Amino acid sequence: GAVVSQHPSWVICKSGTSVKIECRSLDFQATTMFWYRQFPKQSLMLMATSNEGSKATYEQGVEKDKFLINHASLTLSTLTVTSAHPEDSSFYICSARAGGPLHFGNGTRLTVT
Amino acid sequence: SQQGEEDPQALSIQEGENATMNCSYKTSINNLQWYRQNSGRGLVHLILIRSNEREKHSGRLRVTLDTSKKSSSLLITASRAADTASYFCATDAGTSYGKLTFGQGTILTVHP
Repeated sequence: GAVVSQHPSWVICKSGTSVKIECRSLDFQATTMFWYRQFPKQSLMLMATSNEGSKATYEQGVEKDKFLINHASLTLSTLTVTSAHPEDSSFYICSARAGGPLHFGNGTRLTVT
Repeated sequence: SQQGEEDPQALSIQEGENATMNCSYKTSINNLQWYRQNSGRGLVHLILIRSNEREKHSGRLRVTLDTSKKSSSLLITASRAADTASYFCATDAGTSYGKLTFGQGTILTVHP
């Protein structure tokens, strides 16, 4: 089946630094990937839609300069949290479609100290 | 904001019992999907029901969809401790790129 790999699975960084999260589709090509944010015991909030070769589409209220998304190839999208602050601590999940249901990465737990 | 609302927010049952979770949504949909999430992990797709379908089965899962009431239910029969997880419904409004809107989720705990 279709596999989406997300890396790293967890990261701890200091306030003010930037963190990059990678999302790869391992056995299929994904022209579109999605990035979600999830707070403890809450639902997934769509942050942005990542489009290969073009700019990401951000949801209302999501700062595009804060959360940089790059989708340089059909198998890789990256989310960079710039100048991270403790309030950016969260669980970030990516997903991609392989012609059917969405397939999700295992998420990245970001903790900003 | 999430358009889906799920109830109950949390459900605790004994192994062997059935678990029913409900989901309501607000806008027209192309299909509705149910996902499972183990703690601290990504989501796993369980089942998809299209807007022209009323009921669908997959193993111990049974999903219903009532588009007139904009609601869906997920029934897990003969539950097992391994079914313990969070369950989310997600609606697809039919956009070309497949954007999903997730419900708030139900935390299911199955006691052995």
